[in-house]
Amino acid sequence: AQTVTQSQPEMSVQEAETVTLSCTYDTSESDYYLFWYKQPPSRQMILVIRQEAYKQQNATENRFSVNFQKAAKSFSLKISDSQLGDAAMYFCASSEGYGQNFVFGPGTRLSVLP
Amino acid sequence: GAGVSQSPSNKVTEKGKDVELRCDPISGHTALYWYRQSLGQGLEFLIYFQGNSAPDKSGLPSDRFSAERTGGSVSTLTIQRTQQEDSAVYLCASSRGTGTGRTEAFFGQGTRLTVV
Repeated sequence: AQTVTQSQPEMSVQEAETVTLSCTYDTSESDYYLFWYKQPPSRQMILVIRQEAYKQQNATENRFSVNFQKAAKSFSLKISDSQLGDAAMYFCASSEGYGQNFVFGPGTRLSVLP
Repeated sequence: GAGVSQSPSNKVTEKGKDVELRCDPISGHTALYWYRQSLGQGLEFLIYFQGNSAPDKSGLPSDRFSAERTGGSVSTLTIQRTQQEDSAVYLCASSRGTGTGRTEAFFGQGTRLTVV
């Protein structure tokens, strides 16, 4: 069974600074995908970034990048040049194989200080 | 529509009543998921539909909860004899599910259920 753990219930960052959100996961599959989702107060879950487990290169989307450590089963999210609009709940998630369920971590609430 | 649509956005019901929550997935998406999110908490998996396969109901918390998906498209989550602990936001998501290249799950805006 998949499990996803986020050990930081809350984090804060100064505007324009960099912050890293932690995530660890466990899976018995060799084919799996990892995701970071953002949930602002509007409730709408928005995909931030995704990583295929078979790819060694860390995914990057503009100011967002991941540090994927496959052996350690770690998948952290780095947000550079933080903006006020980045304030939200961030959820790490995994999905095994084809057409399998998504499992989410408990989330990290990120505050951005002006 | 372009995205996942859920209705109603908000529902207030009396304890003991039945409620139905609706989800319209993105056209062509074969996988559909229901999650429950209690206040300030993470997402709790409820049920998962994939094409014509039998649904994965392993997350349903009790036999008061059921879901169906008609014609591989619209899904309805039904909660019978609602209890106060059922109060939460119910999120629906859909994805391509199978095929080459895994895509992410696209979420609706959820239904906030309040049981009074």
